[in-house]
Amino acid sequence: GEDVEQSLFLSVREGDSSVINCTYTDSSSTYLYWYKQEPGAGLQLLTYIFSNMDMKQDQRLTVLLNKKDKHLSLRIADTQTGDSAIYFCAESKGTGGFKTIFGAGTRLFVKA
Amino acid sequence: NAGVTQTPKFRVLKTGQSMTLLCAQDMNHEYMYWYRQDPGMGLRLIHYSVGEGTTAKGEVPDGYNVSRLKKQNFLLGLESAAPSQTSVYFCASSSALRTSGRSDTQYFGPGTRLTVL
Repeated sequence: GEDVEQSLFLSVREGDSSVINCTYTDSSSTYLYWYKQEPGAGLQLLTYIFSNMDMKQDQRLTVLLNKKDKHLSLRIADTQTGDSAIYFCAESKGTGGFKTIFGAGTRLFVKA
Repeated sequence: NAGVTQTPKFRVLKTGQSMTLLCAQDMNHEYMYWYRQDPGMGLRLIHYSVGEGTTAKGEVPDGYNVSRLKKQNFLLGLESAAPSQTSVYFCASSSALRTSGRSDTQYFGPGTRLTVL
């Protein structure tokens, strides 16, 4: 079956790098996403990667995809207190959002 | 451009009561979704719609009904609320257009926190 797994918590010090990991099971996934949820708000798309890519960089964010191991990671460089949030990994077959499977989310705590 | 809005933001119900959650989007999106978010379980899809007048069941549809009479609105109904339906409900929408690989990017509302006593 389809499943997306993430660790539930991560704590880092301000200025350090954060790495949030995700594993998924569906090898036919076309797109993989990272969404961010701030307290009291809905999810917002942070970044995404197409399944034929290994890496994508966007300012402080680096997404790495290991398709063989079905492993996705999000690295946040120079983590700030404003990065404290829940980060959701999601996989999609690209046939409509109703085919998107979300992980349980990783809560990132940034200590000053 | 308000994006996706949800009303109400908070609601407390007694077991057996009914209510309707309203979602509205102003992005002319074809697809709309209702999710529930529970601690440690991420988002679970309740129902979705691929266009005006159409709805379909998601992963956890029992106890909920939906309607999409207008393209911009998607309503979620609880006919007889149960404590197990205590959750945070999110509405989302996405475009059916496949441009730059972003066709499945979903835009979320701020959520409705529902407590059923």
